[in-house]
Amino acid sequence: EDKVVQSPLSLVVHEGDTVTLNCSYEVTNFRSLLWYKQEKKAPTFLFMLTSSGIEKKSGRLSSILDKKELSSILNITATQTGDSAIYLCAVEGSGNFNKFYFGSGTKLNVKP
Amino acid sequence: EPEVTQTPSHQVTQMGQEVILRCVPISNHLYFYWYRQILGQKVEFLVSFYNNEISEKSEIFDDQFSVERPDGSNFTLKIRSTKLEDSAMYFCASSKTGKTEAFFGQGTRLTVV
Repeated sequence: EDKVVQSPLSLVVHEGDTVTLNCSYEVTNFRSLLWYKQEKKAPTFLFMLTSSGIEKKSGRLSSILDKKELSSILNITATQTGDSAIYLCAVEGSGNFNKFYFGSGTKLNVKP
Repeated sequence: EPEVTQTPSHQVTQMGQEVILRCVPISNHLYFYWYRQILGQKVEFLVSFYNNEISEKSEIFDDQFSVERPDGSNFTLKIRSTKLEDSAMYFCASSKTGKTEAFFGQGTRLTVV
C-alpha cells in the first residue's frame, strides 16, 4: 500500500526560528512530490520536486528531494506568525497522473 | 491570478438527498480532480478526469458518486443518497497537464445531517 508519512505531526516555534519539516514516502512508480500549505481551507501550492538533490527555493522557504532516501524536507527560515499552517506533503505515483497520496500534514504554530 | 473556484462554500443536506458540488477549473487546464478531507483526516483522492472521461478513481468513488463536465467551464461532483459519513471538505483541483502541479479550489464543506 502506498504511504506518505510526515514528521513531526506538530511543531511550535517562535518567530525567527528555522524549522525543518520531513516527508518520507513509499509510493509505486514515483513521479513527483509536492508541498502544499493549508491554512483555513484549500491547500496552496508551494513546490513540486521531481529530481533528487536540486533545491527549490521561494523566499524563506526551500525544499529538496532525496530519491535514494525516499524523502523530502521543507525548510522555513526566519519564521513569521503568518507561516502558521498545516504543511502537506503529497506524492504522485502508481502510474497515473496527478493521483496524489497525501501525508497527514505537519501543523506548524509560530508564536510571536 | 487564475484560480479554481468552487460553489457553494458550504452545503448542508439531509441524509439520503443528492448534492451537486460545482467547480470551475483554471481555464487552460485539461486535467481535473476531486479530493476530499474528512475533518481531522488526510486529504484523499477521489477521481481524476481528462478528455471528458474518468482517467482514474479511488475505491471511495463508488456508484454513489459521479462526475461531469456539462459545458466548457464547469466540472461537477454528484453525490447520490448522501450518508452521514459523506460529510467532509471536498476539494476540486486542476492541472495544465498530467505532469504539472495541481491547483486546488477553496473547497466545499458538505455537512450531511
